[in-house]
Amino acid sequence: GAGVSQSPRYKVAKRGQDVALRCDPISGHVSLFWYQQALGQGPEFLTYFQNEAQLDKSGLPSDRFFAERPEGSVSTLKIQRTQQEDSAVYLCASSLGVGRVGNTIYFGEGSWLTVV
Amino acid sequence: GIQVEQSPPDLILQEGANSTLRCNFSDSVNNLQWFHQNPWGQLINLFYIPSGTKQNGRLSATTVATERYSLLYISSSQTTDSGVYFCAASNTGNQFYFGTGTSLTVIP
Repeated sequence: GAGVSQSPRYKVAKRGQDVALRCDPISGHVSLFWYQQALGQGPEFLTYFQNEAQLDKSGLPSDRFFAERPEGSVSTLKIQRTQQEDSAVYLCASSLGVGRVGNTIYFGEGSWLTVV
Repeated sequence: GIQVEQSPPDLILQEGANSTLRCNFSDSVNNLQWFHQNPWGQLINLFYIPSGTKQNGRLSATTVATERYSLLYISSSQTTDSGVYFCAASNTGNQFYFGTGTSLTVIP
């Protein structure tokens, strides 16, 4: 597609509910990133995929967070048993290349999650 | 990880004024990017600039990698420049570290 697409744009979940956030990266982009942004803060890294391989998940805050990219394109971030502290904007980004080679990263518009 | 500090945290400008935003980073990097976050929350890439200087219209950026800082210059500011500006640094390409941003308000 023309840009990184995320859905849903807005999600209100009751505490304890499971949510799934979808990211459709730019076509052909190898690298895919998930970030979490709390109000008034900069984005914080959650996880990184190179094609279908999840190479870095060091930023996932707990085992309630799970991400996948089974076919190397669309990715889903799943949050189980949501808690109020999970309320944030979840940003997906993609880039054409990998590793240290200079790559511009492109962000989607984000999924705004509110847990009540 | 890389510590990224941005200054100033907040900036208010009269339309037409110029400004300089600064980004300091704690480690050597091979990827440094500047973003503008619009009021709808989307991060728009402004520059990929691990070193050197680039210009794009009224915006320009300079990174001095050996001294671990980058500067974003905004000239002749417009109200549409308002928003939050972030720099993000990486030395692996897998993980980018963001600063806390500079919130810019341009008043007419």
